[in-house]
Amino acid sequence: GQQVMQIPQYQHVQEGEDFTTYCNSSTTLSNIQWYKQRPGGHPVFLIQLVKSGEVKKQKRLTFQFGEAKKNSSLHITATQTTDVGTYFCGQGAQKLVFGQGTRLTINP
Amino acid sequence: GAVVSQHPSRVICKSGTSVKIECRSLDFQATTMFWYRQFPKKSLMLMATSNEGSKATYEQGVEKDKFLINHASLTLSTLTVTSAHPEDSSFYICSARASGTGELFFGEGSRLTVL
Repeated sequence: GQQVMQIPQYQHVQEGEDFTTYCNSSTTLSNIQWYKQRPGGHPVFLIQLVKSGEVKKQKRLTFQFGEAKKNSSLHITATQTTDVGTYFCGQGAQKLVFGQGTRLTINP
Repeated sequence: GAVVSQHPSRVICKSGTSVKIECRSLDFQATTMFWYRQFPKKSLMLMATSNEGSKATYEQGVEKDKFLINHASLTLSTLTVTSAHPEDSSFYICSARASGTGELFFGEGSRLTVL
């Protein structure tokens, strides 16, 4: 299936700093989903993006889908310790294939 | 929201034995479920798509005789790791889609340790 490349693999920030993770594909994606996995937990759905250039916000989280539908980003403004975890993007209309994930750690 | 339950959450077994993991959709019917495997600090690797009433579809490189999948009803899929070896030790997670949104709901995961 199509592969999505996710960067960075790790990100460590001071609490209050912003954080961004990126997903890139060499081919056009039908949709992209974002999930968060807390340490020791299971992935939890955050959002799905379908439209070209789409931007969605959830409180401090901003999700973007590129105009060409080949890339997406998740941006967290003013991180809090509760944001700690691994963020995965995933794509696929039938089966979902995930990127490598970005592990976010935060210094309080 | 939809709930997917997975059991057992942890299992330790001896090398050569078989282990069965159950995945249930508690408040919706799932004609399709997905099984993932996750190594420590790594991504979720799709192993197979479990189809109710028919054979599972395995991803390239996943041994179907090693990882037996049965989806006998619209709310239950099972993954059996046969003749387990230490390299099979991993975190196995199932998921299912509720109709409409395309959102995947994940079970809590099963951590398998093979001694």
